[in-house]
Amino acid sequence: QLQLQESGPGLVKPSETLSLTCTVSGASISSYTYYWGWVRQPPGKGLDWIGSIFYNGKTYYSPSLQSRVTISVDTSKNQLSLRLNSVTAADTAVYFCAGGKSNPDFDYWGQGTLVTVSS
Amino acid sequence: SSELTQDPAVSVALGQTVRITCQGDSLRTYYASWYQQEPGQAPVLVLYGKNNRPSGIPGRFSGSSSGDTASLTISGAQAEDEADYYCHSRDSSGNRLVFGGGTKLTVL
Repeated sequence: QLQLQESGPGLVKPSETLSLTCTVSGASISSYTYYWGWVRQPPGKGLDWIGSIFYNGKTYYSPSLQSRVTISVDTSKNQLSLRLNSVTAADTAVYFCAGGKSNPDFDYWGQGTLVTVSS
Repeated sequence: SSELTQDPAVSVALGQTVRITCQGDSLRTYYASWYQQEPGQAPVLVLYGKNNRPSGIPGRFSGSSSGDTASLTISGAQAEDEADYYCHSRDSSGNRLVFGGGTKLTVL
């Protein structure tokens, strides 16, 4: 059973970089069977796709975040990472990592982690 | 703004049938998938592809598509179906993904 677990700071200051890690268990993150992604949800609002990464390292990002976001994988640790630069209060959200067998469907989700941007 | 449009809220009487719709130009080319999200929980995939249910999703959930509109139908809604529902698909470029704004389903 594939499981995902997000981790990282719950509080980030404005203009700084948000960094989150997602530890994957039950499958190799480098397997061509799966692809991975990040989705966020501001408090009381809907889901917002951030970006996805495939087994060959190819990444796709939301046009609204592309200039500030980087998604990568660490195969030695079986982890997925998210970096979001120059954050503002508008980036306050629950951040989910997710995985799927067939783009664009996300079959597996972490439980989510709340990141608040505040000084 | 989202490229997929959903009604913000829908209600259904217990045991009746409800349809939740999702409209967007990219749906003329790509299928929508659907997620159910209960308060404080991660989303759960309930439908994908033409009309496929992941293991463990009840048969009362079904999907369809016509033109630029995809639909999620719950036949015989149960109290436990009360949740937010999000459609999800590729955008018009085909390379990026987008979620609908979500529909809050109330079971009366």
